[in-house]
Amino acid sequence: KQEVTQIPAALSVPEGENLVLNCSFTDSAIYNLQWFRQDPGKGLTSLLLIQSSQREQTSGRLNASLDKSSGRSTLYIAASQPGDSATYLCAVVSDDRGSTLGRLYFGRGTQLTVWP
Amino acid sequence: GAVVSQHPSWVICKSGTSVKIECRSLDFQATTMFWYRQFPKQSLMLMATSNEGSKATYEQGVEKDKFLINHASLTLSTLTVTSAHPEDSSFYICSAGGTGGIYGYTFGSGTRLTVV
Repeated sequence: KQEVTQIPAALSVPEGENLVLNCSFTDSAIYNLQWFRQDPGKGLTSLLLIQSSQREQTSGRLNASLDKSSGRSTLYIAASQPGDSATYLCAVVSDDRGSTLGRLYFGRGTQLTVWP
Repeated sequence: GAVVSQHPSWVICKSGTSVKIECRSLDFQATTMFWYRQFPKQSLMLMATSNEGSKATYEQGVEKDKFLINHASLTLSTLTVTSAHPEDSSFYICSAGGTGGIYGYTFGSGTRLTVV
């Protein structure tokens, strides 16, 4: 069974720092990997999607890398801002349901606080 | 981008009553929708997978008679919590994906259910 681990569980930094959030997964046979952001009491907002054949994706100050063979992904946040404060979730899709959409396996998240 | 609308955003009900939560994909056809439950400060727990026109597939330990899922069309799935009890109080989130998950998953904004 796929297991996803995120490190660290919580992170508190001053504004302006560059950050790295880590995600690892036990089964490298994934379809894709997605990073999400969740604000308190809200749903999930997709940040970046990396297909299994890709190495990285970038969106603004965010960059996500994927090393499928070693089962790792990192989310890099440049020049962090207080508005980046949220919980960041990593999820992989394992195609374990045949021809239908694969289910998502989530990590427990990294709770990020960026203070002014 | 893809949008998933989830309603209501919060609901308070009396113990023993039933509550229906709707999840709609607004601008794409969602062959598959997923229903999650989230406890405070924990990650998402997959409850069931619903495919349009067929019975939902429930995860182990989830009571299918208590959590009724209907996916009658390619744009609408509903979760009905029957005979709700205080222990059913939680945050429920749906997600939808199409085209085999190539474009990842889009999540609803979640429903906060409180049973009193």
